[in-house]
Amino acid sequence: SQTIHQWPATLVQPVGSPLSLECTVEGTSNPNLYWYRQAAGRGLQLLFYSVGIGQISSEVPQNLSASRPQDRQFILSSKKLLLSDSGFYLCAWSPLGQGGSPLHFGNGTRLTVT
Amino acid sequence: GESVGLHLPTLSVQEGDNSIINCAYSNSASDYFIWYKQESGKGPQFIIDIRSNMDKRQGQRVTVLLNKTVKHLSLQIAATQPGDSAVYFCAEIYSGYALNFGKGTSLLVTP
Repeated sequence: SQTIHQWPATLVQPVGSPLSLECTVEGTSNPNLYWYRQAAGRGLQLLFYSVGIGQISSEVPQNLSASRPQDRQFILSSKKLLLSDSGFYLCAWSPLGQGGSPLHFGNGTRLTVT
Repeated sequence: GESVGLHLPTLSVQEGDNSIINCAYSNSASDYFIWYKQESGKGPQFIIDIRSNMDKRQGQRVTVLLNKTVKHLSLQIAATQPGDSAVYFCAEIYSGYALNFGKGTSLLVTP
């Protein structure tokens, strides 16, 4: 069966520090991969999605970036965090090429920028 | 229904009652819809989905209704249990990519 792992579960970082959140998927090949951010009381905001290694699409311009160095690995990064980057970050995957399939989410990373 | 501002709409039901959670979607070309359940501190969990060529789909204790005329989606939970307490939100999908997620409705089940 397929599983998705995100780490760390919680993170407290000072303003201006770098960020690296990692997500890996097991049990499937060539997944679509997604990074979402969820602010308190708000819906999910799509940040990045990827349909293959090295292929990243950005939905929202900001100081975050994403990379996909391996088929089942998706990394969210920042060189300098802002206070507004605080939030709940979720990684998700879906099967590639299927016209409409559920996204499967990890358990998220709670990021607090101080 | 959909939230306004920072506060999620809340639905409070008694254990054993049926719950109905509503969602309005925005894109008439969306062809796939999903309901998710999110418990505090966890990622969203898939509950049930429906494609645009259907208007009703049933699962275990849950039913999703789709009204494309008014772009409305609802989730019905039968015999609501305390473990159903969570935030529920819908997602509309177009061409296989997540297009939009609703802000969610908080369901509170009281004993």
